[in-house]
Amino acid sequence: GNSVTQMEGPVTLSEEAFLTINCTYTATGYPSLFWYVQYPGEGLQLLLKATKADDKGSNKGFEATYRKETTSFHLEKGSVQVSDSAVYFCALRGSNFGNEKLTFGTGTRLTIIP
Amino acid sequence: DTEVTQTPKHLVMGMTNKKSLKCEQHMGHRAMYWYKQKAKKPPELMFVYSYEKLSINESVPSRFSPECPNSSLLNLHLHALQPEDSALYLCASSQDGDRGAYGYTFGSGTRLTVV
Repeated sequence: GNSVTQMEGPVTLSEEAFLTINCTYTATGYPSLFWYVQYPGEGLQLLLKATKADDKGSNKGFEATYRKETTSFHLEKGSVQVSDSAVYFCALRGSNFGNEKLTFGTGTRLTIIP
Repeated sequence: DTEVTQTPKHLVMGMTNKKSLKCEQHMGHRAMYWYKQKAKKPPELMFVYSYEKLSINESVPSRFSPECPNSSLLNLHLHALQPEDSALYLCASSQDGDRGAYGYTFGSGTRLTVV
């Protein structure tokens, strides 16, 4: 079945630091890939997505590129802010019939200190 | 309207109570989902409705009973819950039925405490 592996957290960075959160996946066919963010006490928000190989998703300064050769979808941001503190989930949706559920990674808690 | 609205935001119930969680979306999405999220864990899928029919039940105990009265509404009826059922319950919806390349739109959740 499909699976997503995220780097273990928690991750603590200083404001304006460079952020990378690693995400790799296992899936058959051509899955779509997503990053969701969850702020304290809230639901999940779609941060960005990519639906085919070499696509780059971007939003709010965050970027991730769909790398089929390395089965990866790493999240990056050049300069983080305190307001980016949240839990980040990598996820995929399979493209094959019966395999279309959204599968989440374990989540990475990010804390940005001023 | 690009939101999924869940009510109530917080709920405390006893183990003998019956209560319902409600979820509403007006984006024309034809798939709706219930998830359960425990602290510091990813969401776990409970149920999927596609075109108002239950398409997936992830072996959820019968004390949780979903209902989809129409394409915009999704309910989760709760009865005789256990303290370990305390969690954040998330509703989500998606375009293109329950297949395709679209992400899900999540509500802000109902924080349930069973006492």
